[in-house]
Amino acid sequence: KAGVTQTPRYLIKTRGQQVTLSCSPISGHRSVSWYQQTPGQGLQFLFEYFSETQRNKGNFPGRFSGRQFSNSRSEMNVSTLELGDSALYLCASSPVGGPNYGYTFGSGTRLTVV
Amino acid sequence: DAKTTQPNSMESNEEEPVHLPCNHSTISGTDYIHWYRQLPSQGPEYVIHGLTSNVNNRMASLAIAEDRKSSTLILHRATLRDAAVYYCTTPATGTASKLTFGTGTRLQVTL
Repeated sequence: KAGVTQTPRYLIKTRGQQVTLSCSPISGHRSVSWYQQTPGQGLQFLFEYFSETQRNKGNFPGRFSGRQFSNSRSEMNVSTLELGDSALYLCASSPVGGPNYGYTFGSGTRLTVV
Repeated sequence: DAKTTQPNSMESNEEEPVHLPCNHSTISGTDYIHWYRQLPSQGPEYVIHGLTSNVNNRMASLAIAEDRKSSTLILHRATLRDAAVYYCTTPATGTASKLTFGTGTRLQVTL
Protein backbone atom coordinates (compact mmCIF):
# COMPACT_ATOMS: atom_id res chain seq x y z
CA LYS A 1 0.00 0.00 0.00
CA ALA A 2 1.56 3.29 -1.07
CA GLY A 3 2.22 5.81 1.67
CA VAL A 4 1.66 9.54 1.71
CA THR A 5 3.54 11.14 -1.17
CA GLN A 6 4.74 14.70 -1.04
CA THR A 7 6.27 16.56 -3.94
CA PRO A 8 8.70 18.08 -4.42
CA ARG A 9 11.09 16.84 -1.72
CA TYR A 10 13.24 19.95 -1.84
CA LEU A 11 12.57 23.47 -3.01
CA ILE A 12 14.51 26.72 -3.01
CA LYS A 13 12.60 29.94 -3.52
CA THR A 14 13.36 33.62 -3.34
CA ARG A 15 11.76 35.94 -0.83
CA GLY A 16 8.56 37.40 -2.23
CA GLN A 17 7.79 34.48 -4.51
CA GLN A 18 4.98 32.01 -4.01
CA VAL A 19 5.15 28.23 -3.78
CA THR A 20 2.76 25.31 -4.14
CA LEU A 21 3.35 21.98 -2.42
CA SER A 22 1.52 18.80 -3.24
CA CYS A 23 0.35 15.86 -1.16
CA SER A 24 -1.18 12.57 -2.29
CA PRO A 25 -2.75 10.74 0.65
CA ILE A 26 -3.05 7.04 1.13
CA SER A 27 -5.72 5.63 -1.14
CA GLY A 28 -9.09 5.83 0.60
CA HIS A 29 -7.99 8.44 3.12
CA ARG A 30 -10.21 11.51 3.00
CA SER A 31 -8.59 13.68 5.65
CA VAL A 32 -5.40 15.55 4.80
CA SER A 33 -3.58 17.77 7.29
CA TRP A 34 -0.56 20.01 6.84
CA TYR A 35 2.14 20.83 9.38
CA GLN A 36 5.15 23.11 9.45
CA GLN A 37 8.29 21.97 11.28
CA THR A 38 11.09 24.35 12.19
CA PRO A 39 13.93 23.99 14.71
CA GLY A 40 12.61 26.91 16.74
CA GLN A 41 8.86 26.23 16.79
CA GLY A 42 8.76 22.47 16.33
CA LEU A 43 5.78 20.86 14.62
CA GLN A 44 2.87 23.22 14.13
CA PHE A 45 -0.53 22.49 12.62
CA LEU A 46 -1.45 24.51 9.54
CA PHE A 47 -4.84 23.20 8.41
CA GLU A 48 -6.89 20.11 7.66
CA TYR A 49 -9.09 19.28 4.72
CA PHE A 50 -11.82 16.69 4.57
CA SER A 51 -14.00 16.06 1.54
CA GLU A 52 -12.66 19.20 -0.16
CA THR A 53 -13.55 21.44 2.80
CA GLN A 54 -11.22 23.05 5.29
CA ARG A 55 -12.24 21.61 8.64
CA ASN A 56 -9.61 22.94 11.01
CA LYS A 57 -7.11 25.75 10.84
CA GLY A 58 -4.01 26.63 12.84
CA ASN A 59 -2.62 30.03 13.74
CA PHE A 60 -0.87 30.98 10.54
CA PRO A 61 -1.27 34.14 8.44
CA GLY A 62 -3.49 34.22 5.39
CA ARG A 63 -0.44 33.82 3.15
CA PHE A 64 -0.76 30.12 3.91
CA SER A 65 -3.65 28.47 2.11
CA GLY A 66 -4.61 25.08 0.87
CA ARG A 67 -7.16 23.11 -1.00
CA GLN A 68 -8.25 19.55 -1.53
CA PHE A 69 -9.42 17.96 -4.73
CA SER A 70 -12.18 15.42 -5.26
CA ASN A 71 -9.61 12.58 -5.31
CA SER A 72 -8.43 13.76 -1.83
CA ARG A 73 -5.10 15.03 -3.13
CA SER A 74 -4.19 18.29 -1.49
CA GLU A 75 -2.06 21.30 -2.21
CA MET A 76 -0.85 24.05 0.02
CA ASN A 77 0.26 27.45 -1.19
CA VAL A 78 2.41 30.05 0.47
CA SER A 79 2.40 33.49 -1.10
CA THR A 80 4.86 36.33 -0.63
CA LEU A 81 7.47 34.07 0.88
CA GLU A 82 9.47 35.27 3.85
CA LEU A 83 12.79 33.96 5.13
CA GLY A 84 10.98 32.60 8.18
CA ASP A 85 8.89 30.32 5.99
CA SER A 86 11.93 28.10 5.51
CA ALA A 87 10.84 24.82 7.03
CA LEU A 88 9.93 21.21 6.52
CA TYR A 89 6.30 21.03 5.42
CA LEU A 90 4.60 17.78 6.29
CA CYS A 91 1.36 16.31 5.10
CA ALA A 92 -0.58 13.68 7.03
CA SER A 93 -3.55 11.61 5.98
CA SER A 94 -6.19 9.67 7.87
CA PRO A 95 -9.27 7.71 6.85
CA VAL A 96 -11.69 10.26 8.27
CA GLY A 97 -9.56 12.30 10.63
CA GLY A 98 -11.26 11.48 13.91
CA PRO A 99 -9.39 11.00 17.19
CA ASN A 100 -9.67 7.23 16.95
CA TYR A 101 -7.46 7.06 13.88
CA GLY A 102 -3.75 7.44 13.60
CA TYR A 103 -2.29 9.76 11.03
CA THR A 104 0.20 8.73 8.37
CA PHE A 105 2.76 11.37 7.55
CA GLY A 106 4.71 11.88 4.38
CA SER A 107 8.44 12.55 4.31
CA GLY A 108 7.85 16.24 3.78
CA THR A 109 8.94 19.01 1.47
CA ARG A 110 11.92 21.00 2.64
CA LEU A 111 11.46 24.60 1.60
CA THR A 112 14.34 27.03 1.73
CA VAL A 113 13.65 30.72 1.19
CA VAL A 114 16.65 32.83 0.24
CA ASP B 1 -5.64 19.59 23.41
CA ALA B 2 -4.41 18.81 26.88
CA LYS B 3 -0.88 20.00 27.57
CA THR B 4 1.58 17.12 27.61
CA THR B 5 4.85 16.90 29.49
CA GLN B 6 7.62 14.51 28.53
CA PRO B 7 11.27 14.17 29.57
CA ASN B 8 13.63 15.79 27.08
CA SER B 9 15.75 12.71 26.62
CA MET B 10 16.17 9.10 27.66
CA GLU B 11 18.76 6.44 27.04
CA SER B 12 18.40 2.71 26.68
CA ASN B 13 20.56 -0.27 25.91
CA GLU B 14 19.71 -2.32 22.89
CA GLU B 15 17.43 -5.30 23.50
CA GLU B 16 16.17 -3.87 26.79
CA PRO B 17 12.65 -2.55 27.43
CA VAL B 18 12.06 1.19 27.36
CA HIS B 19 9.32 3.02 29.22
CA LEU B 20 8.62 6.51 27.87
CA PRO B 21 6.37 8.54 30.19
CA CYS B 22 3.94 11.32 29.35
CA ASN B 23 1.87 13.49 31.68
CA HIS B 24 -1.41 14.93 30.43
CA SER B 25 -3.10 15.98 33.65
CA THR B 26 -5.69 18.24 31.93
CA ILE B 27 -6.94 15.59 29.54
CA SER B 28 -10.71 15.43 29.17
CA GLY B 29 -12.71 12.26 29.33
CA THR B 30 -13.13 11.83 25.60
CA ASP B 31 -9.63 12.76 24.43
CA TYR B 32 -7.53 10.00 22.96
CA ILE B 33 -3.83 9.61 23.67
CA HIS B 34 -1.65 9.29 20.60
CA TRP B 35 2.04 8.53 20.29
CA TYR B 36 4.20 9.30 17.27
CA ARG B 37 7.90 9.09 16.68
CA GLN B 38 10.16 10.89 14.28
CA LEU B 39 13.35 9.42 12.96
CA PRO B 40 16.02 11.75 11.58
CA SER B 41 15.14 13.26 8.21
CA GLN B 42 11.69 11.68 8.16
CA GLY B 43 8.14 12.70 8.91
CA PRO B 44 6.52 11.58 12.17
CA GLU B 45 5.40 7.97 12.27
CA TYR B 46 2.25 6.83 14.07
CA VAL B 47 3.06 4.40 16.88
CA ILE B 48 -0.07 3.73 18.90
CA HIS B 49 -3.15 5.36 20.42
CA GLY B 50 -5.72 4.59 23.09
CA LEU B 51 -8.53 6.01 25.19
CA THR B 52 -8.81 4.18 28.50
CA SER B 53 -7.55 0.64 28.23
CA ASN B 54 -4.01 -0.48 27.68
CA VAL B 55 -3.26 -1.11 24.02
CA ASN B 56 -0.80 -3.33 22.20
CA ASN B 57 0.33 -3.45 18.60
CA ARG B 58 3.30 -4.79 16.71
CA MET B 59 5.37 -1.72 17.48
CA ALA B 60 4.69 -1.01 21.13
CA SER B 61 2.35 -1.09 24.10
CA LEU B 62 0.53 1.84 25.63
CA ALA B 63 -0.19 1.79 29.33
CA ILE B 64 -2.77 4.36 30.43
CA ALA B 65 -3.11 5.31 34.08
CA GLU B 66 -6.48 4.68 35.66
CA ASP B 67 -7.09 8.43 36.10
CA ARG B 68 -5.80 9.01 32.53
CA LYS B 69 -3.55 11.81 33.68
CA SER B 70 -0.50 9.98 32.44
CA SER B 71 0.50 7.27 30.03
CA THR B 72 3.59 5.24 29.22
CA LEU B 73 4.78 4.03 25.86
CA ILE B 74 6.56 0.71 26.20
CA LEU B 75 9.04 -0.56 23.65
CA HIS B 76 9.56 -4.16 24.68
CA ARG B 77 13.01 -4.62 23.17
CA ALA B 78 14.71 -1.47 21.97
CA THR B 79 16.77 -1.64 18.80
CA LEU B 80 19.05 0.92 17.23
CA ARG B 81 16.26 1.66 14.76
CA ASP B 82 14.07 2.86 17.64
CA ALA B 83 16.32 5.86 18.23
CA ALA B 84 14.01 8.78 17.51
CA VAL B 85 12.06 11.64 19.05
CA TYR B 86 8.86 10.31 20.61
CA TYR B 87 5.84 12.59 20.86
CA CYS B 88 2.79 12.14 23.04
CA THR B 89 -0.30 14.11 22.03
CA THR B 90 -3.96 14.21 23.03
CA PRO B 91 -6.05 15.39 20.07
CA ALA B 92 -9.28 16.93 21.25
CA THR B 93 -12.59 15.63 19.97
CA GLY B 94 -13.83 17.98 17.28
CA THR B 95 -10.35 19.16 16.40
CA ALA B 96 -8.79 15.74 16.33
CA SER B 97 -6.74 16.46 13.25
CA LYS B 98 -5.06 19.35 15.02
CA LEU B 99 -2.31 17.34 16.65
CA THR B 100 -0.24 19.45 19.03
CA PHE B 101 3.33 18.26 19.35
CA GLY B 102 5.51 19.32 22.24
CA THR B 103 9.26 18.92 22.23
CA GLY B 104 9.02 15.16 22.73
CA THR B 105 11.52 12.73 24.22
CA ARG B 106 14.70 12.02 22.32
CA LEU B 107 15.46 8.33 22.80
CA GLN B 108 19.04 7.23 22.43
CA VAL B 109 19.70 3.50 22.05
CA THR B 110 23.18 2.16 22.58
CA LEU B 111 24.80 -1.22 22.04
